[in-house]
Amino acid sequence: TQLLEQSPQFLSIQEGENLTVYCNSSSVFSSLQWYRQEPGEGPVLLVTVVTGGEVKKLKRLTFQFGDARKDSSLHITAAQTGDTGLYLCAGALKTSYDKVIFGPGTSLSVIP
Amino acid sequence: DAGVIQSPRHEVTEMGQEVTLRCKPISGHNSLFWYRQTMMRGLELLIYFNNNVPIDDSGMPEDRFSAKMPNASFSTLKIQPSEPRDSAVYFCASSSLTGANGELFFGEGSRLTVL
Repeated sequence: TQLLEQSPQFLSIQEGENLTVYCNSSSVFSSLQWYRQEPGEGPVLLVTVVTGGEVKKLKRLTFQFGDARKDSSLHITAAQTGDTGLYLCAGALKTSYDKVIFGPGTSLSVIP
Repeated sequence: DAGVIQSPRHEVTEMGQEVTLRCKPISGHNSLFWYRQTMMRGLELLIYFNNNVPIDDSGMPEDRFSAKMPNASFSTLKIQPSEPRDSAVYFCASSSLTGANGELFFGEGSRLTVL
């Protein structure tokens, strides 16, 4: 059973298009992170959100944390071929020590 | 600065053999995580340590898997005996996590193939 669900699983778009990927859970997280992974490498952190309703922008990427801290979205404006990769959301469960679990990922392919 | 260092990068072994994967976390980080990544199951948390103490090993598949962290600069993940279904990329990550906002720094992974 996946604690974190991501949609869509695969996404192929043309360069210049906009897209949104989603991360959902029935659990409440103390924080949620988005990572990007390229083939043959480990995931690299893009952003951390901690407050319900929080919106963060990183150039053409906009991240939002749901009010109830159970879901998040990543919106990319005017996608570029360099955005191609696996996008993973990760949540820190509120335990005495924070346990970080990952969603299954969204594989994005941006076509020139 | 050196990142998380994992070895070996690739290992091919036969079923039944012992496999030992190694990880050197970033100096000063007090949390260490072992993950396994496959196409079918994604990135699964196997075990994590805080200040060298195993905190949660509920993700370890079965008794064939064991992990140790004898000191702050070294950890191992051992599979004995290995099976073909253990084939995956194993990642080690470290963090200076003191709250919920810590960034995980990943190594490049160890790709294991069990024949």
